[in-house]
Amino acid sequence: SQQGEEDPQALSIQEGENATMNCSYKTSINNLQWYRQNSGRGLVHLILIRSNEREKHSGRLRVTLDTSKKSSSLLITASRAADTASYFCATDGGDYKLSFGAGTTVTVRA
Amino acid sequence: DAGITQSPRHKVTETGTPVTLRCHQTENHRYMYWYRQDPGHGLRLIHYSYGVKDTDKGEVSDGYSVSRSKTEDFLLTLESATSSQTSVYFCAISESNEQFFGPGTRLTVL
Repeated sequence: SQQGEEDPQALSIQEGENATMNCSYKTSINNLQWYRQNSGRGLVHLILIRSNEREKHSGRLRVTLDTSKKSSSLLITASRAADTASYFCATDGGDYKLSFGAGTTVTVRA
Repeated sequence: DAGITQSPRHKVTETGTPVTLRCHQTENHRYMYWYRQDPGHGLRLIHYSYGVKDTDKGEVSDGYSVSRSKTEDFLLTLESATSSQTSVYFCAISESNEQFFGPGTRLTVL
């Protein structure tokens, strides 16, 4: 069974707005990662946050992790058309295997 | 795509035929993974390898086998393809936490 579950399943926003998506998981983790997938392509790693970290930034991306609630959020600020993609969270239990959620599809309207 | 190629990129086959998908890397990464991606399920791990001749099952391994005789190649075999194995298959490689994905193989079993 999948470890992570993203919410919402789909999100449509205007260019320039912020996009927020959430991930919940069930068991303890070593780290949590976010990936992006453009239509018809493989996944691309965006950011990794370790279990002892609470927040991490990378460019326009901000990730938070709350291990007490077993949840994470990904915020994309000032969205662009190029941000249109599916976003997946993946949990790593420390055994070099990732468990992926079903993803959030983000559409950025011009 | 981080030195990962998959072949073939597209394949149509008939139920009951054997199929082998190949993943090739030029990064000399230790870990290699095979996933399948289906609508509503995200990515699910089929098999993975942690070294030459060292492989293990993932969450959806039934009907699949793998082999890794060289660091750079990881083969996924469907001994007798079924319609339920119609999917997009992704290979990934890793040396630590972050995974790098290939472009995918779209397999249709008629």
